[in-house]
Amino acid sequence: DVKVTQSSRYLVKRTGEKVFLECVQDMDHENMFWYRQDPGLGLRLIYFSYDVKMKEKGDIPEGYSVSREKKERFSLILESASTNQTSMYLCASSLDRGRQETQYFGPGTRLLVL
Amino acid sequence: DQQVKQNSPSLSVQEGRISILNCDYTNSMFDYFLWYKKYPAEGPTFLISISSIKDKNEDGRFTVFLNKSAKHLSLHIVPSQPGDSAVYFCAASLSNFGNEKLTFGTGTRLTIIP
Repeated sequence: DVKVTQSSRYLVKRTGEKVFLECVQDMDHENMFWYRQDPGLGLRLIYFSYDVKMKEKGDIPEGYSVSREKKERFSLILESASTNQTSMYLCASSLDRGRQETQYFGPGTRLLVL
Repeated sequence: DQQVKQNSPSLSVQEGRISILNCDYTNSMFDYFLWYKKYPAEGPTFLISISSIKDKNEDGRFTVFLNKSAKHLSLHIVPSQPGDSAVYFCAASLSNFGNEKLTFGTGTRLTIIP
């Protein structure tokens, strides 16, 4: 059974704090993704990675960075959290490069930045 | 620049009737399309997909139709059931290597009325 887990379901942080969101998949997937979901804007891709230590910018990478040191783990980092980064953050993974693979999503982390 | 659009933010349908969710896209290079379903406090789950070489794909109560000339796809659910109440996202991607990322629409909230 496909499993993508995210370290926290809810998180409250203060402006300026460094925030780490962790995502782990147990399916040996090559690709991993970070999205944010906001009302009226749908899911927007922040960063993705198709291999260990590789990363690609998505549509809205500003204010974020990522780390993929191990195949199963993909971290999203907010270097200095701001109130406009209050959102639902969703991690996803898919099997293989170059093929149309379904993305499997974690349950999401709802982040509130005060 | 919203390349994938879902113009109806919400839709209410009587139980047992047909639900039709619509999606338009602007990028003619998109050649693979997916529908995801999302319940509150959960990550999106894959529902059904269609390649641009087809104009219809069916899976049980769910059918996706693709009209390439109109750059339009639709999801039909028949008969609609209360458990179908959720937010539905359409997504599109390019099939060439290195383009595993999905571009999502803004979502349509479907409510099935018992």
